[in-house]
Amino acid sequence: KAGVTQTPRYLIKTRGQQVTLSCSPISGHRSVSWYQQTPGQGLQFLFEYFSETQRNKGNFPGRFSGRQFSNSRSEMNVSTLELGDSALYLCASSGSGSSYEQYFGPGTRLTVT
Amino acid sequence: GQSLEQPSEVTAVEGAIVQINCTYQTSGFYGLSWYQQHDGGAPTFLSYNALDGLEETGRFSSFLSRSDSYGYLLLQELQMKDSASYFCAVRAGYFSGGYNKLIFGAGTRLAVHP
Repeated sequence: KAGVTQTPRYLIKTRGQQVTLSCSPISGHRSVSWYQQTPGQGLQFLFEYFSETQRNKGNFPGRFSGRQFSNSRSEMNVSTLELGDSALYLCASSGSGSSYEQYFGPGTRLTVT
Repeated sequence: GQSLEQPSEVTAVEGAIVQINCTYQTSGFYGLSWYQQHDGGAPTFLSYNALDGLEETGRFSSFLSRSDSYGYLLLQELQMKDSASYFCAVRAGYFSGGYNKLIFGAGTRLAVHP
C-alpha cells in the first residue's frame, strides 16, 4: 500500500506570496491532519479534515487554510507569507478521525525569504 | 491550556537502557502516543497507551499513569539506529468521534554512542 505523499518536497517563496501544498493520504484513509514543524517546537497542529469537513483547527492565523477533496486528497494554503512561516509542513492520514496512530508523509520544506 | 513536557536531549551508549519522560496537562485526555523521527525523515508511530500500565513492543515499552498525567518511553538494548527524536503526543479534546486532536511535545533528541 502506498504511503502518504506530499508535493512539492521543497519550496522557496518570498514574503507576501502565497503557497499551496498538497497531500495524498494512504488509500482508504479519510482523515488528513496538517502540522507545522520548526526546530525546537515539535509539531504544531494546524487542522484536521475528515470526509471533506474541517473537524478541528489549531491556533494559527487565518492566513492558513485548507480543504479536502472527495478523494480525500488535501491541500493547505498559506497566504501573505511571512519569514516565520519557514518550516517543514507535514500531513498525516489515518483511517478515522479519532485514530491515535497517524501515518506521516515526508513533508514539504518551505523556505520564505 | 494544553501542554506537554519532555527533556530536550538524552545521551546513552549502545546496549544501554534509556527512559524518556513526558508529563502533560490537557483537557479531555484520551491517550498518549509516541513517535520516532530520524533526521530528514517523517515521524513514525511507536506506541499508544490509553490505560494505565506498561505496553511492550519488542525493545520499546511505553508506560502511562493517568492520575499523575505522566508517561514514559523505555528503549532497551539501544542501537545506533535508535538515534532520533522521540515525540510524545496526547490525543485530547472534549468530544469523541474525531472531534479531538493530537498534540505533540517538543521532542527529545536521543543520541546513542558506541
